[in-house]
Amino acid sequence: DTAVSQTPKYLVTQMGNDKSIKCEQNLGHDTMYWYKQDSKKFLKIMFSYNNKELIINETVPNRFSPKSPDKAHLNLHINSLELGDSAVYFCASSRDQRYGYTFGSGTRLTVV
Amino acid sequence: GEDVEQSLFLSVREGDSSVINCTYTDSSSTYLYWYKQEPGAGLQLLTYIFSNMDMKQDQRLTVLLNKKDKHLSLRIADTQTGDSAIYFCAESPYNQGGKLIFGQGTELSVKP
Repeated sequence: DTAVSQTPKYLVTQMGNDKSIKCEQNLGHDTMYWYKQDSKKFLKIMFSYNNKELIINETVPNRFSPKSPDKAHLNLHINSLELGDSAVYFCASSRDQRYGYTFGSGTRLTVV
Repeated sequence: GEDVEQSLFLSVREGDSSVINCTYTDSSSTYLYWYKQEPGAGLQLLTYIFSNMDMKQDQRLTVLLNKKDKHLSLRIADTQTGDSAIYFCAESPYNQGGKLIFGQGTELSVKP
């Protein structure tokens, strides 16, 4: 299936831990994104990569570090997790503006 | 600045038309989008409109754009219970790496 897939779907962890979320797309898109959706469903961009190059870094704490080993993958590593990091994290990819984004199904992160 | 506003809730009866409204602030946005999010799922692109158009129709969906007032609407004809979801309006400001600015989402509830 062609898609944006992210793992894991659910992640429950303790404060202070370090965790990673992986994202892969097989659509051949050049640009990938991470968005955070909070408990009020508000979506905000965190990062964007185009062909492995960081192009958007939207005032995200430096505990969050994206890594793009190739243009089909964009992973998100989070150090020293805090309660406020609890949210749903969405990965997305795009070909160009006309077609909008294709989103993954989200990773629900709960920090306890 | 960049801001997209939507009303939070809309309730309709099955078979009626639904109209979801959105206002945006960035007049440089070339494309404007409507996304649908079902519970526990990612966002699905429903339709988009190019900024030099004022209307676009796609089966049961009609998008109207008033560029002067920066107002966008999505009309769903013959609304079905399967249309119950959160609908997000989004703008893509010019020359910002494809970043999307989302509204807060409108939760559409369709009653039988």
